[in-house]
Amino acid sequence: DAGVIQSPRHEVTEMGQEVTLRCKPISGHNSLFWYRQTMMRGLELLIYFNNNVPIDDSGMPEDRFSAKMPNASFSTLKIQPSEPRDSAVYFCASSLGRRGRSNGYTFGSGTRLTVV
Amino acid sequence: AQTVTQSQPEMSVQEAETVTLSCTYDTSENNYYLFWYKQPPSRQMILVIRQEAYKQQNATENRFSVNFQKAAKSFSLKISDSQLGDTAMYFCAFILQGGSEKLVFGKGMKLTVNP
Repeated sequence: DAGVIQSPRHEVTEMGQEVTLRCKPISGHNSLFWYRQTMMRGLELLIYFNNNVPIDDSGMPEDRFSAKMPNASFSTLKIQPSEPRDSAVYFCASSLGRRGRSNGYTFGSGTRLTVV
Repeated sequence: AQTVTQSQPEMSVQEAETVTLSCTYDTSENNYYLFWYKQPPSRQMILVIRQEAYKQQNATENRFSVNFQKAAKSFSLKISDSQLGDTAMYFCAFILQGGSEKLVFGKGMKLTVNP
């Protein structure tokens, strides 16, 4: 299996622009998670999906952030408009249901977003 | 709410020596899982070791082992025979067996293995 695939690996954009981060979970995994990593706040869970349905989006910082999972093999995290304080590494992770909890989650390589 | 605390932000160790990374957590639940993740400079999050709270036996994975003290809510990671490739950020993490699927992380600590 290719693992969790995220794109792009790096993204540099200007303040005010729309940014879309993409994630392909491991085939067969039914839970998907978006995390944000910063020096100040560490790893924060933004939102997670189960069977393509958003379960908990309480970590989404503002209305500028939105996430979708149109099917089991694809998810996007969108920031519109982007701001410099959104600069961070964004991780996607996936797992297989209840069994996935005991096994931990599989993480993608992350997208480093820089907003200038 | 569940929290994970890693009180040592940074440590260094000489190659081939043993080092212990500390982690404490807080929960009122009885059934949960604990993990240590490694994040090398490549940025990839790599699962190092896991522990089921209902198991008294400490988990081991080759050079990595844990000291799990449930009553004290402590979950330390011991790395034996440290190697240069062990240089990374290490994160302690926690998840409940039931309920929310949130994997809660500590702030991490930076380990440097010196030649």
